[in-house]
Amino acid sequence: AQTVTQSQPEMSVQEAETVTLSCTYDTSENNYYLFWYKQPPSRQMILVIRQEAYKQQNATENRFSVNFQKAAKSFSLKISDSQLGDTAMYFCAFMKFGSGTYKYIFGTGTRLKVLA
Amino acid sequence: GAGVSQSPSNKVTEKGKDVELRCDPISGHTALYWYRQSLGQGLEFLIYFQGNSAPDKSGLPSDRFSAERTGGSVSTLTIQRTQQEDSAVYLCASSNRGPGNTGELFFGEGSRLTVL
Repeated sequence: AQTVTQSQPEMSVQEAETVTLSCTYDTSENNYYLFWYKQPPSRQMILVIRQEAYKQQNATENRFSVNFQKAAKSFSLKISDSQLGDTAMYFCAFMKFGSGTYKYIFGTGTRLKVLA
Repeated sequence: GAGVSQSPSNKVTEKGKDVELRCDPISGHTALYWYRQSLGQGLEFLIYFQGNSAPDKSGLPSDRFSAERTGGSVSTLTIQRTQQEDSAVYLCASSNRGPGNTGELFFGEGSRLTVL
């Protein structure tokens, strides 16, 4: 069975600084997607960034980028130039691709606080 | 609608009562998921619907929990004889499995259930 581990329950970062959230996963599959979702205090989860496992190039979305290490099964999220609006719970998620059953496995989350 | 809609936003009930939570997914999305999120915790998978296929109910915690999806659109999660440990935020998400599928889950704002 697949598992997703986020080892940092809470983190804080100064505004404008860079922070990296870690995520590791365990799977024997070769085709899958990885995601980072953000859940602000308002509660609605939104997608931050996604990575297809077959792509070697790390995904980037503006200030957000990932360091995807497939062999190590590691998928960290880097937030550059942190902003107060980045304060949220961040969840790493895994989804097996083409299995017929698209079940997403989420980590337990990292609560990030951006300090002014 | 433009996004995933859930109702009620908040529900307070007495122990032993039945509750129904509703999810209206994004139009055209064939996949629909229910998750449970306890205070400060990660997302616990409950049930998954995909088109006309039999739902994946493997995450339902007990036979007091059931869900249906009528006409491939709106879904209702029913909790019978509620207990205090059922208190949580119930999140619904939908996804597009058709052409252009990116694997992204689109979440509603959740229904916060409090069992007294």
